[in-house]
Amino acid sequence: EAEVAQSPRYKITEKSQAVAFWCDPISGHATLYWYRQILGQGPELLVQFQDESVVDDSQLPKDRFSAERLKGVDSTLKIQPAELGDSAMYLCASSFSTTGEKLFFGSGTQLSVL
Amino acid sequence: GDSVTQMEGPVTLSEEAFLTINCTYTATGYPSLFWYVQYPGEGLQLLLKATKADDKGSNKGFEATYRKETTSFHLEKGSVQVSDSAVYFCALRDSSASKIIFGSGTRLSIRP
Repeated sequence: EAEVAQSPRYKITEKSQAVAFWCDPISGHATLYWYRQILGQGPELLVQFQDESVVDDSQLPKDRFSAERLKGVDSTLKIQPAELGDSAMYLCASSFSTTGEKLFFGSGTQLSVL
Repeated sequence: GDSVTQMEGPVTLSEEAFLTINCTYTATGYPSLFWYVQYPGEGLQLLLKATKADDKGSNKGFEATYRKETTSFHLEKGSVQVSDSAVYFCALRDSSASKIIFGSGTRLSIRP
């Protein structure tokens, strides 16, 4: 079965440094989501794309976070500068459309900010 | 705003025990409801869903019924196995929105 690919699997960085995460959704999936999951909590949506357009970024801390999906396929999430409170699992998911009820998740990137 | 509340874990049961994980929601309109599961070392995956009141979602022996009158979507399984050990997330998608909102998750551990 096709999978959502994410890299890196783990990232350790110092505060004030820049970090970037990459996601490649399932082929043909128009909608791509970035979620943040803090230990012991459920995933929280950061940004949602429909093709290359942002549909929802209301919870994205735009002073330090940015996301792009330039060709409507793979996506990059960037944090600059990283803060201690950014330590979390960053999950990418995709679905066939915005109303697609089944999200397919990648294994995530575990970020530790020291 | 929309939200999902599920019972806190961890929940520890013996193999073949009956499982219930409670989930209630707050939403405007008529949301779709989901249970996602996260097995150790794996990504979240959809377990079951229900899109309207009184619908029952089922998969892998798990069931959940969409109860509009009690705004609940409790997950049940009659006889759990060690392989069911995972974190279970209740979630909703509001009828007017496209994003899915997750609960905080319930960790389930099954003893042999």
